[in-house]
Amino acid sequence: GQSLEQPSEVTAVEGAIVQINCTYQTSGFYGLSWYQQHDGGAPTFLSYNALDGLEETGRFSSFLSRSDSYGYLLLQELQMKDSASYFCAVRDTGGFKTIFGAGTRLFVKA
Amino acid sequence: DVKVTQSSRYLVKRTGEKVFLECVQDMDHENMFWYRQDPGLGLRLIYFSYDVKMKEKGDIPEGYSVSREKKERFSLILESASTNQTSMYLCASSTRTEGANVLTFGAGSRLTVL
Repeated sequence: GQSLEQPSEVTAVEGAIVQINCTYQTSGFYGLSWYQQHDGGAPTFLSYNALDGLEETGRFSSFLSRSDSYGYLLLQELQMKDSASYFCAVRDTGGFKTIFGAGTRLFVKA
Repeated sequence: DVKVTQSSRYLVKRTGEKVFLECVQDMDHENMFWYRQDPGLGLRLIYFSYDVKMKEKGDIPEGYSVSREKKERFSLILESASTNQTSMYLCASSTRTEGANVLTFGAGSRLTVL
């Protein structure tokens, strides 16, 4: 079957670094994306990796290892406003289907 | 600012009613999607469309249909609502080049079926 696994919850303190992991098992693979969703809000796109390696966008970085079917989102200099749910998503075979993980709830403490 | 607008933020319907959820995007995107979001299950794809009048089933199409008569509008229809369709419904769009890599979501429509 097709699945994406990510931790259900992560807690970290303000100013720290946190890593949210995602492992996937899909019939096809065209890239790994990350989305952020605050309570009551819409998911918003954060980053996308098509190739192995690290992509950096400000305080957020995303990593992909296709051979390990694994990726992670790294959040640095955590701020209270980073408290949200984070979803990894894989673009599946055919190019139009995006499969989402169940989401990781990040709690940032003062 | 690019936008995906969902017509209803909250709806309460009765079992057996026909329900229309409307989604409009102003970005001239070719692709549009309907997902439902349930706690612990993430986002699950119901239907998507890559062009006007074109539609493809996603992972959970049963009990739903869609309509795309114009490029900017993608409607989700529940022919006969049931209580297990109580959920948050999210519409999204993307460009043809981005495919399904970069989705822009609407704010969501929370549907309660009594």
